[in-house]
Amino acid sequence: DTEVTQTPKHLVMGMTNKKSLKCEQHMGHRAMYWYKQKAKKPPELMFVYSYEKLSINESVPSRFSPECPNSSLLNLHLHALQPEDSALYLCASSQVGRVAKNIQYFGAGTRLSVL
Amino acid sequence: QKEVEQDPGPLSVPEGAIVSLNCTYSNSAFQYFMWYRQYSRKGPELLMYTYSSGNKEDGRFTAQVDKSSKYISLFIRDSQPSDSATYLCAMSAVLTNAGKSTFGDGTTLTVKP
Repeated sequence: DTEVTQTPKHLVMGMTNKKSLKCEQHMGHRAMYWYKQKAKKPPELMFVYSYEKLSINESVPSRFSPECPNSSLLNLHLHALQPEDSALYLCASSQVGRVAKNIQYFGAGTRLSVL
Repeated sequence: QKEVEQDPGPLSVPEGAIVSLNCTYSNSAFQYFMWYRQYSRKGPELLMYTYSSGNKEDGRFTAQVDKSSKYISLFIRDSQPSDSATYLCAMSAVLTNAGKSTFGDGTTLTVKP
């Protein structure tokens, strides 16, 4: 089963709201990723967790706060977002190992609109 | 210059045509080469991946890697309207930990009935 599940599918929030995006995988992968994708652009890496520890932060503004409670779950906490943060937010997971394949499996995404 | 360059498209072909989608890259460390298909407003779906050079076939899809030319291709035989989507190539080095994949900008394909 190569499934990564993201909730919610759609989210509309105001600039003062606090909301969270959730991601879950049951493939036994120990790396999880958050991406942001704007229309007609490729996914843009935001964060990477490896063995539940943050290993890459691509200089993402602090209004985005990731959390990895366990090996199956990944959250992205949102606070005081700007309209330009409106995008498709994608979660992905992959194996990690001595020779990691880094083959990433994506969820369907959360379409976020910031008003 | 970008590490990965993908033929920009858009590409429009009649149903049943053979489609060739292509990417070039500059980083010799890339060893894993992936192709994703992304339907409008959906997440990318992994189609195929290959390790190092060579060909890999899966049904109507064939992935080719030529490391000497730093060139990869995805061929779609007997294309169907359901193949209409954006295709993304992605590449990564052999890593000992989780890391980045580098994506092409995508090629949008339309297959007309």
